[in-house]
Amino acid sequence: EPEVTQTPSHQVTQMGQEVILRCVPISNHLYFYWYRQILGQKVEFLVSFYNNEISEKSEIFDDQFSVERPDGSNFTLKIRSTKLEDSAMYFCASSVAALRPDTQYFGPGTRLTVL
Amino acid sequence: KNQVEQSPQSLIILEGKNCTLQCNYTVSPFSNLRWYKQDTGRGPVSLTIMTFSENTKSNGRYTATLDADTKQSSLHITASQLSDSASYICVVNYFGNEKLTFGTGTRLTIIP
Repeated sequence: EPEVTQTPSHQVTQMGQEVILRCVPISNHLYFYWYRQILGQKVEFLVSFYNNEISEKSEIFDDQFSVERPDGSNFTLKIRSTKLEDSAMYFCASSVAALRPDTQYFGPGTRLTVL
Repeated sequence: KNQVEQSPQSLIILEGKNCTLQCNYTVSPFSNLRWYKQDTGRGPVSLTIMTFSENTKSNGRYTATLDADTKQSSLHITASQLSDSASYICVVNYFGNEKLTFGTGTRLTIIP
């Protein structure tokens, strides 16, 4: 069964460094999403992406964040200058969205630790 | 204020027993409500999606109900199994946008 994959599974970085989290959505899906979950807290929406542009973003998704679909298969989340409070689990999701409401399929997540 | 409230926060039941998890939401205007299962350290997995016009939706041993008038939903699990141990998250979608609003979840533990 097709699934969303994410790399790396765990990323440790120093505060102020840039990180890129990578995701490979399910191949026939058209909508892509990033979510984060701080340890012990609820999942929070960051951004949705369709047709090579951001379709919606939350207040969390400020200028430090950017997303890209560089090659038609990967979907990346970049954090330019990481802060301690960026430490969280980051989930990528994708959906077909040909018919609303659509099921979003989540990847296994990348645990980001900022020291 | 959290727009999606779930209860109980945690629940422990014996294997084979049934249980019901509750969700209250204030999201408006409302488009659809979803239930997800999340194993520890893993991504959420979709169980059911209901639009505002649906009252119930089943997926195997999982049955979700929705009352859009009272803004309440429940997830009923029958004949629980050890593999049902996970967090169950109620998720609500605003009408007209793609943002999903997540509840804090109910942590369910099944004991043999």
